Amino acid sequence: AQTVTQSQPEMSVQEAETVTLSCTYDTSESDYYLFWYKQPPSRQMILVIRQEAYKQQNATENRFSVNFQKAAKSFSLKISDSQLGDAAMYFCAYRSAGDNDMRFGAGTRLTVKP
Amino acid sequence: KAGVTQTPRYLIKTRGQQVTLSCSPISGHRSVSWYQQTPGQGLQFLFEYFSETQRNKGNFPGRFSGRQFSNSRSEMNVSTLELGDSALYLCASSTDWGEQFFGPGTRLTVL
Repeated sequence: AQTVTQSQPEMSVQEAETVTLSCTYDTSESDYYLFWYKQPPSRQMILVIRQEAYKQQNATENRFSVNFQKAAKSFSLKISDSQLGDAAMYFCAYRSAGDNDMRFGAGTRLTVKP
Repeated sequence: KAGVTQTPRYLIKTRGQQVTLSCSPISGHRSVSWYQQTPGQGLQFLFEYFSETQRNKGNFPGRFSGRQFSNSRSEMNVSTLELGDSALYLCASSTDWGEQFFGPGTRLTVL
């Protein structure tokens, strides 16, 4: 079964600095998708970034970028120029290409200090 | 486009009762997935419906069920509620290529 591990329950970063959130996953499949979701205190889950496993190029969305290491099964999220609004729970998620059963990590709570 | 909507947002029930939660997906999305979120177990997949058919199911007891209507709206039902069913229930609608968009959730409290 596919599992997703986020080893950092909590992280903090100074405003305007950079932080990296870690995620590893376990799968025997070759075709899958990886996601980072953000869940602010209001509870609405928001998609931050997605990565297709077949793409070697790391995905980037403005201040958010990933470091996807397929062989190592690692998928970290880098947030540059951190803002107060980035404070939230961040979930790493895996989905097989064959279905919509999304597997989530336990989450990392990010605090941004002014 | 309007986002995913879930009703009600908050619900309080007592043990043994049953509850029905509703989810309206983004217009054009045919797939709806349900998740349970608790502090102890995190986010767990319940089931997914696509074009009125259950396509995937997580590891939950039969007390948890769902359905999807022809307009893609979905409901989930929990019968014989237990204290451990207290959770945030999230619904997500998906594009045909699997990108999921979440609703605000229904907070269920079982007393």
